[in-house]
Amino acid sequence: QQQVKQSPQSLIVQKGGISIINCAYENTAFDYFPWYQQFPGKGPALLIAIRPDVSEKKEGRFTISFNKSAKQFSLHIMDSQPGDSATYFCAAVPINAGNMLTFGGGTRLMVKP
Amino acid sequence: DVKVTQSSRYLVKRTGEKVFLECVQDMDHENMFWYRQDPGLGLRLIYFSYDVKMKEKGDIPEGYSVSREKKERFSLILESASTNQTSMYLCASRGDRPSNEQFFGPGTRLTVL
Repeated sequence: QQQVKQSPQSLIVQKGGISIINCAYENTAFDYFPWYQQFPGKGPALLIAIRPDVSEKKEGRFTISFNKSAKQFSLHIMDSQPGDSATYFCAAVPINAGNMLTFGGGTRLMVKP
Repeated sequence: DVKVTQSSRYLVKRTGEKVFLECVQDMDHENMFWYRQDPGLGLRLIYFSYDVKMKEKGDIPEGYSVSREKKERFSLILESASTNQTSMYLCASRGDRPSNEQFFGPGTRLTVL
């Protein structure tokens, strides 16, 4: 049983479009929500992260939206580029348990030129 | 530049063999992790270590053991490999708080025949 559910599993977007990946969780003890990006042949790397005391965080073209009451958060990639093609993982970390990172199932994003 | 290295990119073993996967980090991090990555399941934590000779079970420790004799090195051991352990194995490290960021190695693709 996955504690963090991620959708969709795969996503195809045209260059310049908006990519949206959604995640939902059940455990209310989670208090840190990172997104990791993984290119083929590489390990995941931290992309952007949010804590539940804010509803949105933006870094360049990447935005996390967070809805605490619905226990959902999403990643928006504005003006998607072919170089954004990668697998994206949402994750969640419980309070006072920084080593217990729980990942979603991943979304394979393809941005078509 | 942060670096986590894994001893092999690809490994093929036979059922029943003992398998060692090695991971080294050069960031003087206290915490190290082993995950397996399977399509649709994301990354699942096998074991982690928060100090030399210390270890904690993750979500799927069955069939695995670990060893941490030096701070920079964390080994994953499959005592008797089975076909259902065919997977991508990722090592990661993390410093102490406040950053929760984990730094990943490139992964080892293990095939058990």
